[in-house]
Amino acid sequence: GAVVSQHPSWVICKSGTSVKIECRSLDFQATTMFWYRQFPKQSLMLMATSNEGSKATYEQGVEKDKFLINHASLTLSTLTVTSAHPEDSSFYICSASRLAANTQYFGPGTRLTVL
Amino acid sequence: KQEVTQIPAALSVPEGENLVLNCSFTDSAIYNLQWFRQDPGKGLTSLLLIQSSQREQTSGRLNASLDKSSGRSTLYIAASQPGDSATYLCAASTSGTYKYIFGTGTRLKVLA
Repeated sequence: GAVVSQHPSWVICKSGTSVKIECRSLDFQATTMFWYRQFPKQSLMLMATSNEGSKATYEQGVEKDKFLINHASLTLSTLTVTSAHPEDSSFYICSASRLAANTQYFGPGTRLTVL
Repeated sequence: KQEVTQIPAALSVPEGENLVLNCSFTDSAIYNLQWFRQDPGKGLTSLLLIQSSQREQTSGRLNASLDKSSGRSTLYIAASQPGDSATYLCAASTSGTYKYIFGTGTRLKVLA
């Protein structure tokens, strides 16, 4: 149990376009989802926390207008990178947790390359 | 603000050796600490989760310990194998927010 999927697993896009990444909890209801970013040879950095039905909480330094997060259901959260630029190229990983649980289950990640 | 550090940053050992990876955190008020494995270009594989009330967890050749008072956790790998080569990350779940703060990682290479 507790499987989290991400789609797509990788995406290449041109500079200036927007890209949407989906994160799904397949066998449980995720009241909270987290989005992380990982640059090459670096650790994971938390970008934002989203609770179902409410606005996401962004970490300091993360532009909320550039990284749009929607958590419209208990099994799906989306991250949209708007007007992507080469510096947004990174590995994006989501995680999900159940209500009042302190354990996160991680997705396999999405590699974004912006040309 | 929670900070998590891992030492060493990289480690190369011959096959069969027992080894210890270290993880330090600055704020002892954590819910849990989790160890992950990450292969190049891949996502995270959860290895062991230690709740704040626990001292250690074991799974096969892996043993993780937690000492909140000193702000340290260790991951012990027994009889290392080339297939253990990967980056190992620890993450502390921050009390009150459930956020995970990740360590800087240890890149392990086990030589055949």
